Amino acid sequence: KQEVTQIPAALSVPEGENLVLNCSFTDSAIYNLQWFRQDPGKGLTSLLLIQSSQREQTSGRLNASLDKSSGRSTLYIAASQPGDSATYLCAVGPLKAAGNKLTFGGGTRVLVKP
Amino acid sequence: DGGITQSPKYLFRKEGQNVTLSCEQNLNHDAMYWYRQDPGQGLRLIYYSQIVNDFQKGDIAEGYSVSREKKESFPLTVTSAQKNPTAFYLCASSPRPSTDTQYFGPGTRLTVL
Repeated sequence: KQEVTQIPAALSVPEGENLVLNCSFTDSAIYNLQWFRQDPGKGLTSLLLIQSSQREQTSGRLNASLDKSSGRSTLYIAASQPGDSATYLCAVGPLKAAGNKLTFGGGTRVLVKP
Repeated sequence: DGGITQSPKYLFRKEGQNVTLSCEQNLNHDAMYWYRQDPGQGLRLIYYSQIVNDFQKGDIAEGYSVSREKKESFPLTVTSAQKNPTAFYLCASSPRPSTDTQYFGPGTRLTVL
């Protein structure tokens, strides 16, 4: 059974510092990996989706890498801003399953201090 | 505006009652999903539906029921058999029942009194 872990559970950094968020998964037979952002009491917003054949994806200040063989993904957020404060979740899509059954990590809660 | 709506935003239930959470999407997506989120934890899949009139159990379906009579609607009923229903419930949809990204609604917070 796939297990997804995100460590640390919480992270606090001063404004301007780069953020590094980690995601690890136990089964490397994945179809893709996604990073989501969740603001308190809100739904999830998709940030980046990496297909299993890709090594990384970039969008603005965000860059996500994927190392399938070692079961790891990293989300980098450059030059953090207070508006980046949120919980970030990663989710893994299975290689063989009907219905796009994502497995989520527990999330990393980020606080960017002005 | 296209998107996913969930109602109500907050819901209170007495023990022994069934309650139904609404999820509607106007994105013309085939697949829809229900997740449960507990404090400090990730999302766990309750039920999902790939097409109208079809749905499958997720990892924690016990005590829940769903229907998919229309493409745009996927209501979730939390029955009295669900032992610990207090949680944040999120509905999502994706264009196809494959591994497209999922689009999430704003969520419903259910509290059992």
